[in-house]
Amino acid sequence: VQLLESGGGLAQPGGSLRLSCAASGFTFKNYGMSWVRQAPGKGLEWVSSIIDSGHSTYYADSVKGRFTISRDNSKNTLYLQMNSPRAEDTAVYFCAKGVYGDLSRWDNWGQGTLVTVSS
Amino acid sequence: DIQMTQSPSSLSASIGDRVTITCRASQSVYKSLNWYQQKPGKAPKLLIYAASSLESGVPPRFSGSGVGISFALTITSLQPADVATYYCQQSYSFPITFGQGTRLEIK
Repeated sequence: VQLLESGGGLAQPGGSLRLSCAASGFTFKNYGMSWVRQAPGKGLEWVSSIIDSGHSTYYADSVKGRFTISRDNSKNTLYLQMNSPRAEDTAVYFCAKGVYGDLSRWDNWGQGTLVTVSS
Repeated sequence: DIQMTQSPSSLSASIGDRVTITCRASQSVYKSLNWYQQKPGKAPKLLIYAASSLESGVPPRFSGSGVGISFALTITSLQPADVATYYCQQSYSFPITFGQGTRLEIK
């Protein structure tokens, strides 16, 4: 199993950024996926989850209405569209693979991509 | 939202010591409680799931216990490789929440 995040970098407050997570080594379409973030020097914070089919999504209140999780099962890729980012969204963003039948237990993680929101 | 509270926030112990970290939920999560280990600059790693099941490949010196609102992670004989921050996480309901973390160091 390999999860490779990309798309991080410097984002302007109120701008937009899209993170990607390329998955390999497992049948991507069969597993729920999630994004978890970690602000510098802080603990882990769940951001969003999406079921295997993509038909149901879940968000933390802190990002609801601004971030959108999606997936392309034909490309084995998970996405996080970040609109109107704020300084408090600055963090390392990890994508995480759910276990079979459990969207919210994560047995494989990417290495993370750093997003810095600053003008 | 279910609040998860870990204690202690940091811990220093000697090689070979038995170490216990506790996690308390603000309401019952039944057995939907997972433990992760995170080393500096690395992604978290799943250690224990469903409160007491050992993830494949994790050394048996790690164990978990508890149900409902009170849980514990125990390391029976602390090793240098165990220096890390440990997080509990409830997977019972959305929003998914983590404890604040316990930083474990070698004395």
